[in-house]
Amino acid sequence: QQQVKQSPQSLIVQKGGISIINCAYENTAFDYFPWYQQFPGKGPALLIAIRPDVSEKKEGRFTISFNKSAKQFSLHIMDSQPGDSATYFCAARNGGATNKLIFGTGTLLAVQP
Amino acid sequence: DADVTQTPRNRITKTGKRIMLECSQTKGHDRMYWYRQDPGLGLQLIYYSFDVKDINKGEISDGYSVSRQAQAKFSLSLESAIPNQTALYFCATSEPGTGGGANTGELFFGEGSRLTVL
Repeated sequence: QQQVKQSPQSLIVQKGGISIINCAYENTAFDYFPWYQQFPGKGPALLIAIRPDVSEKKEGRFTISFNKSAKQFSLHIMDSQPGDSATYFCAARNGGATNKLIFGTGTLLAVQP
Repeated sequence: DADVTQTPRNRITKTGKRIMLECSQTKGHDRMYWYRQDPGLGLQLIYYSFDVKDINKGEISDGYSVSRQAQAKFSLSLESAIPNQTALYFCATSEPGTGGGANTGELFFGEGSRLTVL
């Protein structure tokens, strides 16, 4: 029940295309859903996040779509660029006292020029 | 200078050796974490500390120990390293995150320590 399932494991997209990464969860106590972006040789960094009281959040070319009833959320990268090539992790936070993040298994995105 | 600094960045050691990975931060955060990253497994929490006197086990604490020497320092030890502890290790810090508040508890990661156990 604590897991966050992420797919696909890897993704190849052409420059200008749309990249879509999906995540699913079971625990209805999760109250915050961030996406982290990790470039090679670096630590992950927060990219965008959403709370379950909204269905969509957009920041530039990055959009999170959130479906509370289906317990699913996804990251959409519009007009994908080679500089977006990175590993993306979805995560969910248990809103209890510990506020720990549970991470998905990651998606390696390659955007081809 | 990086806000979260990990040393060493790379280490190769042999089975049975004791290894310490160190983390220091200048963000002034009380909360510190150690994560392990393996291909296909994502980021798994090893230990976390919410202040100097508070240490908690994460999902995969067996074979590891930690020490919170100060608010800014949190070290991870492998008392007797084994090959399946070969991985990329990350230290992270955060402020407390609250469910409905503006503070999201964003994690700030170091650049990682790659450990190889032969």
